[in-house]
Amino acid sequence: KNEVEQSPQNLTAQEGEFITINCSYSVGISALHWLQQHPGGGIVSLFMLSSGKKKHGRLIATINIQEKHSSLHITASHPRDSAVYICAVGQGAQKLVFGQGTRLTINP
Amino acid sequence: DAGVIQSPRHEVTEMGQEVTLRCKPISGHNSLFWYRQTMMRGLELLIYFNNNVPIDDSGMPEDRFSAKMPNASFSTLKIQPSEPRDSAVYFCASSFRGVAETHNTDTQYFGPGTRLTVL
Repeated sequence: KNEVEQSPQNLTAQEGEFITINCSYSVGISALHWLQQHPGGGIVSLFMLSSGKKKHGRLIATINIQEKHSSLHITASHPRDSAVYICAVGQGAQKLVFGQGTRLTINP
Repeated sequence: DAGVIQSPRHEVTEMGQEVTLRCKPISGHNSLFWYRQTMMRGLELLIYFNNNVPIDDSGMPEDRFSAKMPNASFSTLKIQPSEPRDSAVYFCASSFRGVAETHNTDTQYFGPGTRLTVL
């Protein structure tokens, strides 16, 4: 069993829909990261959180430490949100363990 | 800021050849990470440095892989000899660890990656 599990693996939705991507982990963590990988391959850090909720524009990330679960939400989704979203957990100081990613496609 | 710079962006080589990947972290960052991404295994941490010192190299696959960071602005990942199973995209990332108003502590900034193909 992977230490970091994401669901779904693939998600296709229509423009405007509310999107939720889930991440569950089985190890103790110092922080949880959400990353976005564009179709061209570049990786951008979206959030780093260790408790509660963070919001940036249309993106919201939440984490429940007791349940070892995090969600990434996208409101009013747009085709430019199409990307692979990767959950990663920080173990110890800085070592990251990654989920397999969720491929999101938003159709116009 | 130029961001994390990696070179080359693409490398095609033959099995048995030596491959050297290069990374220049963001100025002021004191942590540097090397990752490998494949379809089968996703993203994996190979090694990371703090203040130019290797901290954790448990992800380095085998002795054919080595990484150095001779100064705060440069790191290399070397594969010698290369094998077809080393084909992957190799990412370098940097971050700042500490207390500073100008840096988001521990947020990692990724380079564009080097796509390595070993024939």
